[in-house]
Amino acid sequence: QSALTQSASVSGSPGQSITISCTGTSSDVGGYNFVSWYQQHPDKAPKLMIYDVSKRPSGVSNRFSGSKSGNTASLTISGLQAEDEADYYCNSYTSSSTWVFGGGTKLTVL
Amino acid sequence: QVQLQESGPGLVKPSETLSLTCAVSGYSINSDYYWGWIRQPPGKGLEWIGNIHRTGSTYYNPSLKSRVTISIDTSENQFSLNLNSVTAADTALYYCTRRLPGTAYRDYWGQGTLVTVSS
Repeated sequence: QSALTQSASVSGSPGQSITISCTGTSSDVGGYNFVSWYQQHPDKAPKLMIYDVSKRPSGVSNRFSGSKSGNTASLTISGLQAEDEADYYCNSYTSSSTWVFGGGTKLTVL
Repeated sequence: QVQLQESGPGLVKPSETLSLTCAVSGYSINSDYYWGWIRQPPGKGLEWIGNIHRTGSTYYNPSLKSRVTISIDTSENQFSLNLNSVTAADTALYYCTRRLPGTAYRDYWGQGTLVTVSS
């Protein structure tokens, strides 16, 4: 299985909105609504931010939202804050009953 | 409070077997969840290794399937990872996780344990 495709980096200023995309195939992202997004700060375990494409776990800010169109899922962060600076990973279920991650996107808050 | 804690040797020799255990506290492992392993080589991204259900059903990353075994011990409330014939490419931070079946809701992660493969 091939890793999902994410842009290596994205940046934005405080208060702005940014979107991170995650492109797969019809055998993973496009075929199932089992896409999740994780935030990882340096030397910390990943934290679940979005699951099942657009659902937010309890305690996650509503500044984080997820969506999907075709084979591409997206994570949007609105009202950027300094603490949002982190690495973000998408993850999808596949037709082989396995899971695949994206390569990760480094978000820089300018 | 659910907690997952990885344990095992931090150094493994090439060609030998990497063995890790994830102790679960605050929740019964004999419940309807998938318990899994994910790794992250230093400075790199996340890689899904596999998972197991209380029923014993397992799913593995195709690229690791020939070398990996995940098992569950409900009496000890823990599950384990064995990865054989390791090479330097298996050097990584290994995380254990919990996921709700039928969803992408992987809510709890251990803190991770670093395993280095070196002679």
